[in-house]
Formats: sequence, C-alpha cells, structure tokens
Amino acid sequence: AQKVTQAQTEISVVEKEDVTLDCVYETRDTTYYLFWYKQPPSGELVFLIRRNSFDEQNEISGRYSWNFQKSTSSFNFTITASQVVDSAVYFCALRAASGTYKYIFGTGTRLKVLA
Amino acid sequence: SAVISQKPSRDICQRGTSLTIQCQVDSQVTMMFWYRQQPGQSLTLIATANQGSEATYESGFVIDKFPISRPNLTFSTLTVSNMSPEDSSIYLCSVDGALPSGNTIYFGEGSWLTVV
Repeated sequence: AQKVTQAQTEISVVEKEDVTLDCVYETRDTTYYLFWYKQPPSGELVFLIRRNSFDEQNEISGRYSWNFQKSTSSFNFTITASQVVDSAVYFCALRAASGTYKYIFGTGTRLKVLA
Repeated sequence: SAVISQKPSRDICQRGTSLTIQCQVDSQVTMMFWYRQQPGQSLTLIATANQGSEATYESGFVIDKFPISRPNLTFSTLTVSNMSPEDSSIYLCSVDGALPSGNTIYFGEGSWLTVV
C-alpha cells in the first residue's frame, strides 16, 4: 500500500528563519514520483516540484530546496529565509510511475510565517 | 502547464439541491480527475473522468451522488447531487499534464461549496 506521512500539522516561524517540512512515504513500487504542492489561502494548489525515484539529486530553486533520500523514504522541503508570502498549506504526494494514475497526498503541513 | 478554469469558484447551496461544477482546460489532456478537500483536510480522489465513457470512481464515491461527464479532451463536469452540509468542501479539478509535462497533475482554482 502507498502512504504519505506529513507528521508536522502546523509550523510557525518568524520571517527570515529557515524551515523544513518533512515528508515520509511508503511504497512497494520500484519507480515512482514524489511531489510538493503549495496551497495558499486562496485555495488553489500550486505545483512546486516533481522528483523521480531514480534521481536522488537534491534540488534548489531560489529559496526552496528539496532533499530526497531513498534510504529513509523521505522527501523533505526546506524554505530558506522564509517570507510572509510563504504562509500556506504544503502537501507532499506520491504516485507510482506506471500502472495507476492515482496520487496519494499527505495530510499537509500548515506553515505560518510571522512578520 | 495547462491552464485549468473552474466554475463556479464559490457557491452557497441549499440542502437537497444539486450543483454542477465545470472544468475547462486550455489544451487537450489525457487524464482528468476530480478531488474533494473537506475543511482542514487533505485531498481525496473522487473519480477519474474518462473521455467518452463512464468515470472511474474511488471507494466511497458513487455515480448517483457525483455524476461526472467528460465529452471531450478539454472539458469535464462534476455534479454534487442532493447536497447535505457534509458535502461542504473544496472541489478540485485536476489534469495530468499535457505533453511534454506528463506525469504531473495540475489543479484548477477549486470550487468552494458551502451547503446550508
């Protein structure tokens, strides 16, 4: 069975602090995709990143970085120098690379960045 | 990525009525999905909208309650039938990205339904 766990329900940080959002997944598939989405108060889900299971290179995009570790089944997301606009709910998701188009979402982490 | 438009964006509905949500994509896509997000919760897949055939529903969701149409590769509708307050949710249309961005789902703005 596939499962995504985001143990942090809510995190509050002060602006300019770094923050890491944790994501742990379970799957029996050998190839799969991992995703992060951002849901600001407006409600729209914004795609942030997709990672293939065969590519464990970490990725950096501006203030965002992602740490994928297959050995611990984790795909953590770090925001450096957080800003108030980063306040949102962040979802981690998992999908098998073949056989099904079903995406499994975690329960989300609400990030509050205080000015 | 595809641009996905949903209507209505918000609505307040009376108990017992039905509401149809429309999803329009600016390019042809293979896969379209409907998700529900209850207040403060994660996303739950309702069904996969299949072009030209009946939708594929997930466990706990039935066609009588959530009829779905998909007449072509760019459009789909979800109807929430005989609504009750428990149906108050955000309903999200999503698509598996058209080439060359396949294997990633993108979401519409969502339709916030409140049932009173």
